[in-house]
Amino acid sequence: GQSLEQPSEVTAVEGAIVQINCTYQTSGFYGLSWYQQHDGGAPTFLSYNALDGLEETGRFSSFLSRSDSYGYLLLQELQMKDSASYFCAVSEDSSYKLIFGSGTRLLVRP
Amino acid sequence: DTAVSQTPKYLVTQMGNDKSIKCEQNLGHDTMYWYKQDSKKFLKIMFSYNNKELIINETVPNRFSPKSPDKAHLNLHINSLELGDSAVYFCASSQDPGNEQYFGPGTRLTVT
Repeated sequence: GQSLEQPSEVTAVEGAIVQINCTYQTSGFYGLSWYQQHDGGAPTFLSYNALDGLEETGRFSSFLSRSDSYGYLLLQELQMKDSASYFCAVSEDSSYKLIFGSGTRLLVRP
Repeated sequence: DTAVSQTPKYLVTQMGNDKSIKCEQNLGHDTMYWYKQDSKKFLKIMFSYNNKELIINETVPNRFSPKSPDKAHLNLHINSLELGDSAVYFCASSQDPGNEQYFGPGTRLTVT
């Protein structure tokens, strides 16, 4: 079967660094994506990893280890506006289908 | 200049009714999707079309029927609505397979 696991909730302080982990078990693997969703809003694309290693985009970085079926999203210099839900999603093959995790709710406190 | 738009934003209707949700994208993308997000925020793909051709059809009741008149539009028609259909429905589009998808603002469907 398919499963993606991520923590349900994470709390951090403004200015800090937080890491949101994602482990996956899928029949195939093509790449791992991360999406951000604010309450009442739409998911927005953050990053995509197809190969092992770290991808950096501004304050956000995403890491992938294919051998460990594991990835994480790293958010640095946290701001209040980063309070949102974060979803990891797996592409099992070169098709158009994404399998989403259940999401991690990040709360940034002053 | 909305990239992916959906109408309506809110839809409240009674059980047994038939309703449609419309989606349009002006990004020139070849692929469009419908997702359902339930009350626990679990996001699950329902359908995907590539150049008007159905390419993903997940285990969805046949009361749900997508229609793509052209590659910029993907509509969702739902027959005989049930209480369990209450959710937020998101349309999305992408140029490349799978990864970077652009989501519409969502349609919150409430069935009473």
